Amino acid sequence: SQKIEQNSEALNIQEGKTATLTCNYTNYSPAYLQWYRQDPGRGPVFLLLIRENEKEKRKERLKVTFDTTLKQSLFHITASQPADSATYLCARTGANNLFFGTGTRLTVIP
Amino acid sequence: ETGVTQSPTHLIKTRGQQVTLRCSSQSGHNTVSWYQQALGQGPQFIFQYYREEENGRGNFPPRFSGLQFPNYSSELNVNALELDDSALYLCASSLARESYNEQFFGPGTRLTVL
Repeated sequence: SQKIEQNSEALNIQEGKTATLTCNYTNYSPAYLQWYRQDPGRGPVFLLLIRENEKEKRKERLKVTFDTTLKQSLFHITASQPADSATYLCARTGANNLFFGTGTRLTVIP
Repeated sequence: ETGVTQSPTHLIKTRGQQVTLRCSSQSGHNTVSWYQQALGQGPQFIFQYYREEENGRGNFPPRFSGLQFPNYSSELNVNALELDDSALYLCASSLARESYNEQFFGPGTRLTVL
């Protein structure tokens, strides 16, 4: 099956450090990967999209990489802040929908 | 510009009942997708509507059905509710039907089936 997996259920880091979240996929090569942020009781909010022919994408303190050899995307938040605490979801694109991973719950400790 | 809204916020039903959830898409968006999110899981695709027609469906039984109206708002109907249908139901709208388009999610409807 075409899985997308986020290895860590939870990640705790100290404020100011860089948080790195991992998304792995198997048995296919997605054309696009998207990353979303979800706060408790809220819908996901789009953060970044990266295409398979892009190695890296940046937006302010966020950076996403896409390694088609390793079948992996890494999501980085630099200079993390307590307000960055949330669940982060990666998703691969299907024909007309997204397939989401289970998410990584990030906690930034002041 | 108004974002995606969903109603109701919370709903409690009993097994066997029927439920209708509503979604208003963001202004200018002609595509609405519905997702089910169980606790601790990522959202799972139910179906997509594009210009009032169903345009793709995930692995959900026929008792999950939907509609899209001329103003692009949408409804999700679930018949013969089961305990496992308890979840957060999310509606997302986008500018077009291709999946690489940014999805704008509503706050969700929390459905509890007793």
